[in-house]
Amino acid sequence: GQSLEQPSEVTAVEGAIVQINCTYQTSGFYGLSWYQQHDGGAPTFLSYNALDGLEETGRFSSFLSRSDSYGYLLLQELQMKDSASYFCAVKTGRRALTFGSGTRLQVQP
Amino acid sequence: GAVVSQHPSRVICKSGTSVKIECRSLDFQATTMFWYRQFPKQSLMLMATSNEGSKATYEQGVEKDKFLINHASLTLSTLTVTSAHPEDSSFYICSASSGVSSGANVLTFGAGSRLTVL
Repeated sequence: GQSLEQPSEVTAVEGAIVQINCTYQTSGFYGLSWYQQHDGGAPTFLSYNALDGLEETGRFSSFLSRSDSYGYLLLQELQMKDSASYFCAVKTGRRALTFGSGTRLQVQP
Repeated sequence: GAVVSQHPSRVICKSGTSVKIECRSLDFQATTMFWYRQFPKQSLMLMATSNEGSKATYEQGVEKDKFLINHASLTLSTLTVTSAHPEDSSFYICSASSGVSSGANVLTFGAGSRLTVL
């Protein structure tokens, strides 16, 4: 099976940089994805890593180390609208995703 | 971009009644859709995989007779919560694979349906 661990909450101020970590255990690995979910809303795709290293998409970057079964999402120049829950996820063999426990990010003025 | 429409967004029902939730892919065909359930401040838990033209595949611990899934066309999957009870109150979200982005199997999610069973 799959299990993914994330910190439950992170607090940061506007303009800062925050890193959300994810460690995983999977029976097969097809890459690590990141999704953002605002309260009451649908999760939306942010980023994906299949290979080791850093992927950058605007203010968001994601990193993966397959040897350490570890990844992180880096959010730069934080804005109030970034307050949301962030989930790491891995794909199962049937193309569904298994999600981590989620990290609730609160951005303060 | 890919859009998944889910209806209703909110539903309140009495205990013992059944509720149907619809999930439609608006601008793409989805042979497979996924149904998730999310309790407050918790993660999304996969309930079942809905396959067009065949039986759904349920995750361990999910009662297939209670959560009926029908995927009659390439753009519509329905989840029916039968004989709902208060413990079934939750946020139900459907999703479909909307393609590949930089190698990622991207899931597009519906806006979710919040079910409250009185």
